[in-house]
Amino acid sequence: KAGVTQTPRYLIKTRGQQVTLSCSPISGHRSVSWYQQTPGQGLQFLFEYFSETQRNKGNFPGRFSGRQFSNSRSEMNVSTLELGDSALYLCASSLAGGYTDTQYFGPGTRLTVL
Amino acid sequence: SQQGEEDPQALSIQEGENATMNCSYKTSINNLQWYRQNSGRGLVHLILIRSNEREKHSGRLRVTLDTSKKSSSLLITASRAADTASYFCATDAGGHDGSRLTFGEGTQLTVNP
Repeated sequence: KAGVTQTPRYLIKTRGQQVTLSCSPISGHRSVSWYQQTPGQGLQFLFEYFSETQRNKGNFPGRFSGRQFSNSRSEMNVSTLELGDSALYLCASSLAGGYTDTQYFGPGTRLTVL
Repeated sequence: SQQGEEDPQALSIQEGENATMNCSYKTSINNLQWYRQNSGRGLVHLILIRSNEREKHSGRLRVTLDTSKKSSSLLITASRAADTASYFCATDAGGHDGSRLTFGEGTQLTVNP
């Protein structure tokens, strides 16, 4: 079974621009979560989607948004990019996102904001 | 902010030795998971232990959980150079309405050949 895939793997943007990242979960998985990893803040939860609905949200500004499609694929959008948004963005999928589920992570998208 | 704290922050050992990493957390949890990350790549799931379990084994990995002390430990036995990576614990306090993992700061393990 193919793992979680994320595209693109690397991205360079300038301040003020917006960016869209994509995540394809493992086949059959319906929950997709997004995390941001930076050297200063570590790994932080952004949001979780299940059946096209946002079910959980972390403490990030409204510039960070996401959505999930009917095939469970998810996109994350960051508008008005700031230098501090430079990070590794990780997507994780699980069967249903319950507390007994294992979260499987993709390889991440490395975003650099200049 | 991070829920968990891991110690040590860095650990350097020789091949064949055992490595022990500890994780503490602050709130009640449903499960605790350990992940490995190589050089800023994706996270690889190692093991999940539920809040009603005290110990779990998987190959060379042994995880313990003490919910009264809000702590967990990961033991890697007979370490190999390929075990060199960052190790993170993550707690899941989500209920039936979904999950959200809260990660510790990680332990950087270096296994010297």
